Parts: sequence; C-alpha cells; structure tokens
Amino acid sequence: QVQLVQSGAEVKKPGASVKLSCKASGYTFNSYYIHWVRQAPGQGLEWMGILNPDGGDTTYSQRFHGRFRMTRDTSTSTVYMELTSLTYEDTAVYFCVREHERYHFDHWGQGTLVSVSS
Amino acid sequence: NFMLTQPHSVSESPGKTVTFSCTRSTGSIVTNYVQWYQQRPGSAPTAIIHEDNQRPSGVPDRFSGSIDTSSNSASLTISGLKAEDEADYYCQSYDGSNVIFGGGTKLTVL
Repeated sequence: QVQLVQSGAEVKKPGASVKLSCKASGYTFNSYYIHWVRQAPGQGLEWMGILNPDGGDTTYSQRFHGRFRMTRDTSTSTVYMELTSLTYEDTAVYFCVREHERYHFDHWGQGTLVSVSS
Repeated sequence: NFMLTQPHSVSESPGKTVTFSCTRSTGSIVTNYVQWYQQRPGSAPTAIIHEDNQRPSGVPDRFSGSIDTSSNSASLTISGLKAEDEADYYCQSYDGSNVIFGGGTKLTVL
C-alpha cells in the first residue's frame, strides 16, 4: 500500500535551518508529484511547494522568499524539504503529500512537528 | 492568486444535512478543479472529494461536491450527519502550479 513516512519531530532555535525527509513506498516513486503542506497550531493548511521526482523540477510558494527548498533521492524514494532562517512563525506540523493528478492529494504523510523556540 | 473563502464554523444535528461553501475571489470557479479534505483532530487530512464532485474509493456517498457558477463557489454537502463527521473541512484548488487552500470550516455535530 502507498505510504509516506516522515522523519521525526525537530526543535530548532530562531535563525536555524531544518531538513525533513519523506520516504515513499508502495508505488512507482517517479510517477507522482510530491508536495509539502504545513499547518501552524490551530491554523489552516498552507501549501509550500511541489517537486516532480522524475527530473527534480520544483515550484515553491512565493511566501517563503527563497527560504524553502525541496530535493529528492530517487535511489531511496525519499523527498526532502529544507527551510532556513527559521522564525517562531515557522512552528507547525509539516506534511508531505502525494498528488494523484490534477492537484488531488490522495496520500499524506503522518506529519512532522517543527518547533522553533529559543 | 485568488483566495478561497470558507465559513469559520457550522453546527448541525445528527441525521441532518449540512452544506459548506467555498467561494473563489477572482476568476471563475470552473477554471480549476476543487478538492475537499476532512481533517479530524490530531490526524492528517484525507481527501473526500476531488475534481469538483468525484468521491475517492471508500468515501461514503453521504458526501457530495458541487459547483455553483452563480455564486462562484464550490460546495460540500454531507447528508445523514454522524458524530464521526465532526472535523475540519478544507477546500483546495490551484492557480498554475500554486496550490490554494481555503481557511477551513469546523463542523460541530451537536
């Protein structure tokens, strides 16, 4: 069955960077786009970016002003996201998500809590 | 980019029917497909409607989606409400490669 398994919770200081992983299994990795979506405590869903595993092309939300990057390792079917220059407002649960087609997000990772605290 | 506006909260009794709206700010609602996601507390969202009105396998037919061009909005309708339907519901669409979520509607089943 399709699974997206994310790395564990992180605690970071303001100004630091965080790198999260999302390991895919149960399907052909290169065939489906992966997105990252985050959710601040008590808030709604916020889209961050998209990666095409077949070639590595990316598109990011302009909201992150160059602080956000997605990469992939096809040998391990893993997608990574890195967010730099963290602020308290980056405290959130981060989800990796598989897109089935036409932006239908059909499988979600379990989520990773990133806490930014001094 | 356009915005998707959802009511903050809705309450209804078990067995009743409830409808959520998702209004697109600019451009036509029919230009890009709308998806709907259910998120229970402490869990990741799950898709309940995709491509405006399509139910993924396993989603009960109590859930339905529609488009209203007169109000430029999408709607999610849940009939025969159950206590387990209490959750947050998000609409989602896209603009080019950018994905846009509505702010979410909290459903309380009284």
